[in-house]
Amino acid sequence: TQLLEQSPQFLSIQEGENLTVYCNSSSVFSSLQWYRQEPGEGPVLLVTVVTGGEVKKLKRLTFQFGDARKDSSLHITAAQPGDTGLYLCAGDSGGYQKVTFGTGTKLQVIP
Amino acid sequence: EAGVVQSPRYKIIEKKQPVAFWCNPISGHNTLYWYRQNLGQGPELLIRYENEEAVDDSQLPKDRFSAERLKGVDSTLKIQPAELGDSAVYLCASRRTGTYEQYFGPGTRLTVT
Repeated sequence: TQLLEQSPQFLSIQEGENLTVYCNSSSVFSSLQWYRQEPGEGPVLLVTVVTGGEVKKLKRLTFQFGDARKDSSLHITAAQPGDTGLYLCAGDSGGYQKVTFGTGTKLQVIP
Repeated sequence: EAGVVQSPRYKIIEKKQPVAFWCNPISGHNTLYWYRQNLGQGPELLIRYENEEAVDDSQLPKDRFSAERLKGVDSTLKIQPAELGDSAVYLCASRRTGTYEQYFGPGTRLTVT
């Protein structure tokens, strides 16, 4: 069974602070997605990374895929209350087949 | 483009009763997933369909759970009989063949009392 461990599990920060969320596995993934989920809603896709070492930016969010395609990180600069939510990474094992979700990081940004 | 539609949004039932959830994926998306999500945790795959074929149901508790996608479009997930531990959010997602991204519906929050 492939496992994706996310850290930290919970994070409460002040508006304007920076933060990094990590997603780690012992398995290699062909692609990795990051989602954000708000209460009462389904996860919403933020980004997909495919190439080892790839870095993608989405406004104040920076996503990186590890060189060995086993881990990923999400960095948020100058966090805002609207960033509050559950952040999930999900790894695809290849052939668009089995997708494994991470354990989740619950972020709260305090105004 | 309409998103993934799920109904009902909320369901409260007593244990041992049956319950069914319905999902209509995004038009043209051949792959459909059912997940179960407990509060604050990541979704856990129950079953994945490629068109009308269930290609991964290894995590589906087959003694009480069943699913169908008869025409390869919408799908139904059923639990009979429900147990207290089945209380969770049941999410449906769909994906277009040849892409990585899944699109999720809003989920059905099930409470078993």
